Amino acid sequence: SQQGEEDPQALSIQEGENATMNCSYKTSINNLQWYRQNSGRGLVHLILIRSNEREKHSGRLRVTLDTSKKSSSLLITASRAADTASYFCATGLGSGAGSYQLTFGKGTKLSVIP
Amino acid sequence: DVKVTQSSRYLVKRTGEKVFLECVQDMDHENMFWYRQDPGLGLRLIYFSYDVKMKEKGDIPEGYSVSREKKERFSLILESASTNQTSMYLCASSFPLVWREGPDTQYFGPGTRLTVL
Repeated sequence: SQQGEEDPQALSIQEGENATMNCSYKTSINNLQWYRQNSGRGLVHLILIRSNEREKHSGRLRVTLDTSKKSSSLLITASRAADTASYFCATGLGSGAGSYQLTFGKGTKLSVIP
Repeated sequence: DVKVTQSSRYLVKRTGEKVFLECVQDMDHENMFWYRQDPGLGLRLIYFSYDVKMKEKGDIPEGYSVSREKKERFSLILESASTNQTSMYLCASSFPLVWREGPDTQYFGPGTRLTVL
């Protein structure tokens, strides 16, 4: 079952601009994670935010989480051509039958034009 | 650095063949996962394992089986490959979940692009 849904599906920006991607989910979660995937490769973990956190930073990345709206956003500041990739959010329940699993969205494809 | 390796980057098999996809991790992770990734469908969990010889079905286990005889190795088996199993297969591993904190970060291998003719 698909839990997270990213928006937009695709995003094209100029180098130096900021990129914002959103993720909405349906059920209560214990944490939400963002991953990046370069074309044809495996996924790389970017950041994990717990349900009791509202904002987290890592370098040029800023993630927010609003559990009341069941949504998260990933902001990449001062984008570079190397940021061109697909970005996925993944939600974790933390208890019950699905507690080992992360459920991934379908991703946002980001293109950064030099 | 965590390293997750997969036995092949590209694989071409014929319908009806038995296919083995191997995944090895070097971080002593308890959990290992197999996903398939298809355009427009995202990542879907096939099977996962939280300990040696333990396995649990994911969202789409039909047509697949798995084996985990050693902690570092998790194999995905297609008993009789079919064309609808043409896909990108991704293996991942992680530490155990932390109670009430949810699943830990997953580390992915580079993927195996399987084509079934």
